[in-house]
Amino acid sequence: SQQGEEDPQALSIQEGENATMNCSYKTSINNLQWYRQNSGRGLVHLILIRSNEREKHSGRLRVTLDTSKKSSSLLITASRAADTASYFCATTEYGNKLVFGAGTILRVKS
Amino acid sequence: DAGVIQSPRHEVTEMGQEVTLRCKPISGHNSLFWYRQTMMRGLELLIYFNNNVPIDDSGMPEDRFSAKMPNASFSTLKIQPSEPRDSAVYFCASSLADRGSQPQHFGDGTRLSIL
Repeated sequence: SQQGEEDPQALSIQEGENATMNCSYKTSINNLQWYRQNSGRGLVHLILIRSNEREKHSGRLRVTLDTSKKSSSLLITASRAADTASYFCATTEYGNKLVFGAGTILRVKS
Repeated sequence: DAGVIQSPRHEVTEMGQEVTLRCKPISGHNSLFWYRQTMMRGLELLIYFNNNVPIDDSGMPEDRFSAKMPNASFSTLKIQPSEPRDSAVYFCASSLADRGSQPQHFGDGTRLSIL
């Protein structure tokens, strides 16, 4: 079964707006990663947040992690049409085995 | 720098045929992963290697699937005999670390259709 569950399943916004995606997981983790997948392409790593971190920034991306609630959120600020993609969270329980969620499909309309 | 290279990009074959998917990881990476992505089941880890040794193959569906990594720069995933339910996009990924704290780099996948 999948560890991460993204919410919402799909999100449609206007260019310039912010997009927030959430991820919940079930077991203790070492770290949590977010990936983007453009149509017909492989996944691209966006950001990694460790279990002892609460917030991390990378450009227009902001990730938070709440281990007490077993949840994480990805915020994309000032969205662009090029941000249209599927976004996945992935958790690491042990070793380097990642377990991916079902993903959020983001559509940014220009 | 070259990323993870997968071949072929597309494969269409009839059921019962043998299918071989190929992957060249990023040079210097010591972990390699094979995933399968479908609409119904999402992204599933099939098997992963550390330093060319299979570590966890619990995701391999059944004996029809096998994976090898004869050296640090090449891996294959073989399906024999193939079935229509094997139709999916198969991804290979590689990473530098063996402790799960580094990002994985994905190839663009092989879209497999079994008729």
